[in-house]
Amino acid sequence: DADVTQTPRNRITKTGKRIMLECSQTKGHDRMYWYRQDPGLGLRLIYYSFDVKDINKGEISDGYSVSRQAQAKFSLSLESAIPNQTALYFCATSEGTGSPRGELFFGEGSRLTVL
Amino acid sequence: LAKTTQPISMDSYEGQEVNITCSHNNIATNDYITWYQQFPSQGPRFIIQGYKTKVTNEVASLFIPADRKSSTLSLPRVSLSDTAVYYCLGNTGGFKTIFGAGTRLFVKA
Repeated sequence: DADVTQTPRNRITKTGKRIMLECSQTKGHDRMYWYRQDPGLGLRLIYYSFDVKDINKGEISDGYSVSRQAQAKFSLSLESAIPNQTALYFCATSEGTGSPRGELFFGEGSRLTVL
Repeated sequence: LAKTTQPISMDSYEGQEVNITCSHNNIATNDYITWYQQFPSQGPRFIIQGYKTKVTNEVASLFIPADRKSSTLSLPRVSLSDTAVYYCLGNTGGFKTIFGAGTRLFVKA
């Protein structure tokens, strides 16, 4: 089983619908992240969380919200999806300390299409 | 945060050594240089990390000169399965990890 699991893996929805992408991890890491990747581009950070009570905006948080339900669970919501939110979304985790420094462990991605 | 610059794409043939150079002129004293590999429709995967000189693991080697303004990822004897995007990052921690467009390596038979 994957250490970082994302659901759903693929989702097609319509403009204006509310969508939730879920992420769960078994690595025991405190830190969790949501990234977005558009075709041919790198990953952009949406939100990150250092623990259950600590949630921070990344570089592209507008139109998104998150919930850290437990140490192992971090959900990303699109309250009213729009077509330019069509992308591949990745959840990742990392330790607070240790070596390699800041190594990120990624899930397999959730492909979202907004029509 | 260290801004990195790397080639957009590279081609190689199976069995060759591939060197991908990354420049990071404004890297901070406490930044490490980290490389990730990403296959299509998968999340990036950590390859190697270094601070200075040379680091080698079972996958690659990383060469960092004394001024740390650049680094070179070396992949020995690449195979078709090494076709992927390679990201060079200067970072001090997970949330500061900024992924640029990376280098798209295409290995030919």
